[in-house]
Amino acid sequence: DVKVTQSSRYLVKRTGEKVFLECVQDMDHENMFWYRQDPGLGLRLIYFSYDVKMKEKGDIPEGYSVSREKKERFSLILESASTNQTSMYLCASRRERGVKYNSPLHFGNGTRLTVT
Amino acid sequence: RKEVEQDPGPFNVPEGATVAFNCTYSNSASQSFFWYRQDCRKEPKLLMSVYSSGNEDGRFTAQLNRASQYISLLIRDSKLSDSATYLCVVNDPSGGYNKLIFGAGTRLAVHP
Repeated sequence: DVKVTQSSRYLVKRTGEKVFLECVQDMDHENMFWYRQDPGLGLRLIYFSYDVKMKEKGDIPEGYSVSREKKERFSLILESASTNQTSMYLCASRRERGVKYNSPLHFGNGTRLTVT
Repeated sequence: RKEVEQDPGPFNVPEGATVAFNCTYSNSASQSFFWYRQDCRKEPKLLMSVYSSGNEDGRFTAQLNRASQYISLLIRDSKLSDSATYLCVVNDPSGGYNKLIFGAGTRLAVHP
């Protein structure tokens, strides 16, 4: 069974702090993703990566960066946290490239970040 | 117009009822469609993919209507454990591979 592990379930940070959210998957998946989920807006893609050291911007990359130094690990970085980044952050991984194969996204259990 | 739209609900139904959700999408070139289920305070999990000819998995039936650009999910004989938020997911062909767009979800509450 695929396991996607996010390092923290809850985080509280202050405005201006640098924040690291870590995600590890154990199934050798090529693709990894960071989403945020807000009420009424659904999940929105921040960044994704299809290989080590590769990254692509999603729909809302502003204020975020990512790092993928190893295949199993994908980190989301908030360079200078702001209150509008208070949200639920979900990491996901996926087995193969391309949506045509319909392989599912496997999500971690989320990190609820509060920026005060 | 949102790229993927769902009625937020909630749909309140008794056990044993049949309930259907629709989801509309804006990009006619989309090729991949999914329904995910999300329980309260949990991560989304794949419920089923949606294929062109329609598909069934036990009590769940998914349909795709390309002409009208919507997908549907039908749940028969609802159980209390079906209470959750159902997310419609469609790929964005203009965003390259792996670009999936999530609807905001439809909440289902099944009561005894």
